[in-house]
Amino acid sequence: EADIYQTPRYLVIGTGKKITLECSQTMGHDKMYWYQQDPGMELHLIHYSYGVNSTEKGDLSSESTVSRIRTEHFPLTLESARPSHTSQYLCASSVQGSNQPQHFGDGTRLSIL
Amino acid sequence: QKEVEQDPGPLSVPEGAIVSLNCTYSNSAFQYFMWYRQYSRKGPELLMYTYSSGNKEDGRFTAQVDKSSKYISLFIRDSQPSDSATYLCAIGREYGNKLVFGAGTILRVKS
Repeated sequence: EADIYQTPRYLVIGTGKKITLECSQTMGHDKMYWYQQDPGMELHLIHYSYGVNSTEKGDLSSESTVSRIRTEHFPLTLESARPSHTSQYLCASSVQGSNQPQHFGDGTRLSIL
Repeated sequence: QKEVEQDPGPLSVPEGAIVSLNCTYSNSAFQYFMWYRQYSRKGPELLMYTYSSGNKEDGRFTAQVDKSSKYISLFIRDSQPSDSATYLCAIGREYGNKLVFGAGTILRVKS
């Protein structure tokens, strides 16, 4: 079973607040990813990282930012939350190499009022 | 046009039925094919991983790739109520760094 953890699981918060979604993995994976998932829609990649100090934007434009200071930790930050940020955010990790299977956390369901 | 298409369902079947879940894709450059299962309020978990064409079997699950038709399938034999979930296909290009996911098919197995 994959050891990748996301906190909080659920967050309801007001507009304009700064939010950090946490993601940690204990598998020593170099690659980590953030996806956005809305009901009935595809997973959209918003950020990924090849390793420490490496971050890249994904295919879906996002106002969020990420950092990768430690291999096991890949937090996502929204400086000023808006209702349009309401979604489920999934974190994943994989070993290096092309198209390696990704292991997912259980997600953070974010609601911005 | 989306790179991968998947019927959203829901697909309802009786317990014990053989289930066929499918995805079509548009680009012949895709070489890696995966199936994930996602239970409600959980993250996707990998079920099957295949490279190029052919079949792969794991217990009650069989993944099939037909590259000439750009069509991939997941078969579930002797389906159980515990198989009720959303099934996502995911595809990747040779030497690619990102996967493309389908929107998922909702499966309901009735006891």
